[in-house]
Amino acid sequence: DAKTTQPTSMDCAEGRAANLPCNHSTISGNEYVYWYRQIHSQGPQYIIHGLKNNETNEMASLIITEDRKSSTLILPHATLRDTAVYYCIETESGNTPLVFGKGTRLSVIA
Amino acid sequence: DTGVSQDPRHKITKRGQNVTFRCDPISEHNRLYWYRQTLGQGPEFLTYFQNEAQLEKSRLLSDRFSAERPKGSFSTLEIQRTEQGDSAMYLCASRPGLAGYEQYFGPGTRLTVT
Repeated sequence: DAKTTQPTSMDCAEGRAANLPCNHSTISGNEYVYWYRQIHSQGPQYIIHGLKNNETNEMASLIITEDRKSSTLILPHATLRDTAVYYCIETESGNTPLVFGKGTRLSVIA
Repeated sequence: DTGVSQDPRHKITKRGQNVTFRCDPISEHNRLYWYRQTLGQGPEFLTYFQNEAQLEKSRLLSDRFSAERPKGSFSTLEIQRTEQGDSAMYLCASRPGLAGYEQYFGPGTRLTVT
């Protein structure tokens, strides 16, 4: 079973920042936080991952709390194409199979 | 396109028939994973390979399911005597063995058992 908890759904206005929270209160010291998203009828797409420090790439930013029990994925300027289900996953390494929960369904509204 | 490819994209079959799906990973990715996804749920792990060796199988993978990865390249997932409960999206993913961390997913094969 998934060890992370996420809100079922969220809305965001187009052009605004989308902030998606994730709780991973039982995360262990060697586990990373990974974020994937799945656009309707497509396979999941990797977004970003982190261990302790905040991370940023061309798609998003990941903010991890100091105690590592929660994190927030930030899409700085959401577009309609960002409408998808977003999954937060804790995993020891990228080699192990991923354990997906139900994720957060993000709807970006024009 | 050099991403993960899956064939077929859609399959409709009658209960009791056998079906086989194919996954072509990204070239030189030695890890290959199969997942199953039902409506409204996240993907669930089925099995994975490192090169040609099948390293782990989920309890979801009943005796009717078998997966192979001959020569460590493409992989096939076969379901024998299909049941209506097998209707789902079957996803394949691959990743490099040493460098990089993320899994790259294919578009999936949607199976409908009637």
